[in-house]
Amino acid sequence: EAGVAQSPRYKIIEKRQSVAFWCNPISGHATLYWYQQILGQGPKLLIQFQNNGVVDDSQLPKDRFSAERLKGVDSTLKIQPAKLEDSAVYLCASSFLAQYEQYFGPGTRLTVT
Amino acid sequence: KQEVTQIPAALSVPEGENLVLNCSFTDSAIYNLQWFRQDPGKGLTSLLLIQSSQREQTSGRLNASLDKSSGRSTLYIAASQPGDSATYLCAVRQTGYALNFGKGTSLLVTP
Repeated sequence: EAGVAQSPRYKIIEKRQSVAFWCNPISGHATLYWYQQILGQGPKLLIQFQNNGVVDDSQLPKDRFSAERLKGVDSTLKIQPAKLEDSAVYLCASSFLAQYEQYFGPGTRLTVT
Repeated sequence: KQEVTQIPAALSVPEGENLVLNCSFTDSAIYNLQWFRQDPGKGLTSLLLIQSSQREQTSGRLNASLDKSSGRSTLYIAASQPGDSATYLCAVRQTGYALNFGKGTSLLVTP
């Protein structure tokens, strides 16, 4: 069974630029999550999708972050414009349903200069 | 708001030692608790998942316990090996919510 795929693995941008991350969950998994992990911290949920609907985006900085999951499969997370404090690893995870075990992708390491 | 704390933040032990990592949470109304391992530059690997009705789970040299009423979980690693060196994260899930993580314990096992 293929795992959660993410791209790119690394990205370096200047502040005020925009960036997008892509996630392909495990086939058949209805729930998809985006987490932000700042160095030395545990991952923090940004947004949770159930199929193509948003379940929880309470911690998503909506003035600069956006996410979508068209057709309930792949998802993209966008930051526009980026700030220095957005430097972090962005992790995508999926689960069969919300109450089941989550499986994580390798993450995208973003550096904002 | 659920707060998850992991102690110690860092730990260094010689190979072969048994060790215990601690996790505490403030709201005992959890759905389940999960222990993860994270290697540098990598994603998270799930180690053990304990449902709220369970007291412990075992996988190989790993044993995780859960005391929901006191808001505590421990991860026991037997006969540690250098390959166990990584950051160990504890995460709790409350019904209807995503995982809430601690900051992790960075483990170094020296040969």
